[in-house]
Amino acid sequence: GAVVSQHPSWVICKSGTSVKIECRSLDFQATTMFWYRQFPKQSLMLMATSNEGSKATYEQGVEKDKFLINHASLTLSTLTVTSAHPEDSSFYICSDFGGNGTQYFGPGTRLTVL
Amino acid sequence: SQQGEEDPQALSIQEGENATMNCSYKTSINNLQWYRQNSGRGLVHLILIRSNEREKHSGRLRVTLDTSKKSSSLLITASRAADTASYFCATRDSGAGSYQLTFGKGTKLSVIP
Repeated sequence: GAVVSQHPSWVICKSGTSVKIECRSLDFQATTMFWYRQFPKQSLMLMATSNEGSKATYEQGVEKDKFLINHASLTLSTLTVTSAHPEDSSFYICSDFGGNGTQYFGPGTRLTVL
Repeated sequence: SQQGEEDPQALSIQEGENATMNCSYKTSINNLQWYRQNSGRGLVHLILIRSNEREKHSGRLRVTLDTSKKSSSLLITASRAADTASYFCATRDSGAGSYQLTFGKGTKLSVIP
């Protein structure tokens, strides 16, 4: 299956700072990538759909000005959590769309905001 | 939005036993997928079953799909301690151009050696 990497795997930051998370599709060109958030002991919630060369599509209730998504190339999408607060602490997971109906997920990034 | 509901929420079995997890959903789907997640890790794709399929096998995994009841089951046979993880079903709606997944709440499986 496709390989997706994320960086960093974990990050701890102070409240008010911004954090950038990278998601790379390593073995094919992904025009579409997805960003999910997972709180402890809960399921994955789709945050936004990242489209190469165009604006991301955000799910209802997700602030686009707080969670900035950039998909400037076919292999890289970034999620920037701006002015992070403790309630933003979560596990962020990206995935790409394999075109065969299967999504391949990255290993996730654990964000802790102090 | 969440639409899948797995049951049970948690399941604890002895190694060697079979584990069955169920998933229900609400909309018309193109396909349903099962994923495994080890604690604090990303998701691993297990199996995909299309809306026109009723049963699918992959190794020790058996998935069924009943579109009339909008439900699916995942059976893991001869469980191993390494199968301990959370299992999620995810559906892809059948609408044109719809390719995002909607995840269920998951079943946490513990296999006791």
